[in-house]
Amino acid sequence: DGGITQSPKYLFRKEGQNVTLSCEQNLNHDAMYWYRQDPGQGLRLIYYSQIVNDFQKGDIAEGYSVSREKKESFPLTVTSAQKNPTAFYLCASTMRQFNNEQFFGPGTRLTVL
Amino acid sequence: DQQVKQNSPSLSVQEGRISILNCDYTNSMFDYFLWYKKYPAEGPTFLISISSIKDKNEDGRFTVFLNKSAKHLSLHIVPSQPGDSAVYFCAASLGGATNKLIFGTGTLLAVQP
Repeated sequence: DGGITQSPKYLFRKEGQNVTLSCEQNLNHDAMYWYRQDPGQGLRLIYYSQIVNDFQKGDIAEGYSVSREKKESFPLTVTSAQKNPTAFYLCASTMRQFNNEQFFGPGTRLTVL
Repeated sequence: DQQVKQNSPSLSVQEGRISILNCDYTNSMFDYFLWYKKYPAEGPTFLISISSIKDKNEDGRFTVFLNKSAKHLSLHIVPSQPGDSAVYFCAASLGGATNKLIFGTGTLLAVQP
């Protein structure tokens, strides 16, 4: 059945290391998004991609990078330049022609020690 | 600048009663509004939405009301059930090509048996 998968569920890294979070969807959705959630805050947009090989910065892109080489995949790299990387990361996708409703993956909890 | 605000961090109601979750927004250009439900350590799931050309949308126990003049929307859950206990996020969309969603900070609903 269709859906969005994120792996791993929990991730621990040492400070100064880059880490890549996986996001895969088999919904044939065109657009994909990365959000970050911190305690007591809403979801904040990091990066988004409307089509393959194209992506745009969201509201808090500093310290992050993405790629969109395949329609199904939108990995997020948290670099050592990100000052506060510990957070819950959520990936979402949507069909371009059906605006608005985004489907979310289960999330990855990243903890930087 | 918080364009979408949920001023109540938490709400507690008795099972069987009505739950009313509120959301205010500042940008009159938003053309679509959504409510998402989120359990801890999981991704948000879409609940219900409303276009800016409507003032009410109903789906089973869930009804969303939109008051454009007041820039206010609310989610009514009747009757409330213990399984409704979760964090509820409202989100707003500017539409267009990017389909970006702006999320509120969420309201934690606790339905007491």
